[in-house]
Amino acid sequence: QLQLQESGPGLVKPSETLSLTCTVSGGSISSSSYYWGWIRQPPGKGLEWIGSIYYSGSTYYNPSLKSRVTISVDTSKNQFSLKLSSVTAADTAVYYCARRSSGLVDYWGQGTLVTVSS
Amino acid sequence: DIQMTQSPSSLSASVGDRVTITCQASQDISNYLNWYQQKPGKAPKLLIYDASNLETGVPSRFSGSGSGTDFTFTISSLQPEDIATYYCQQYDNSLTFGGGTKVEIK
Repeated sequence: QLQLQESGPGLVKPSETLSLTCTVSGGSISSSSYYWGWIRQPPGKGLEWIGSIYYSGSTYYNPSLKSRVTISVDTSKNQFSLKLSSVTAADTAVYYCARRSSGLVDYWGQGTLVTVSS
Repeated sequence: DIQMTQSPSSLSASVGDRVTITCQASQDISNYLNWYQQKPGKAPKLLIYDASNLETGVPSRFSGSGSGTDFTFTISSLQPEDIATYYCQQYDNSLTFGGGTKVEIK
């Protein structure tokens, strides 16, 4: 059974860079059938797609976040990562890593709350 | 960007009621529309893909329909375990979610 697990700091200071890693187990991140991505959800609000990466390194970002987002992949560790720069309180959210199969998201991590505060 | 407008934002219904949620896209997205269920504190779960296809293992009381810009999600007989927030999601251009519909028991 495929499992995804987010890890990283739960508290980030304003203007700094948020960094999260997703570790994939029970399957290979190098599968040609899937994209791997990040989705976030501010407390009490809806879902926002951040971006996706293919195992080859090709990336696709939400245009509204593109200038601040970098997603990378490490196939040797079966992991992919998110960096979001210049964070503000508006970036406080639960961050989910997920697998994207064509247009649907079929596997999700449990989510990790990241709070932006000094 | 394609905007997804869901309505209502919340609803309250009795066990056994038929529940309908609508999702409208700001432009034609064919059938590139999925529906998810999210329970409190949990990650979303895929229920319906490509507008009308039931994901494996999902109860048949859930269904979806529509194409183009107008889509409908239906629970034919609401059960207590269906209390959740439901989201539509388009993937015709990038990936965008609707604002969500919170379903409660009356």
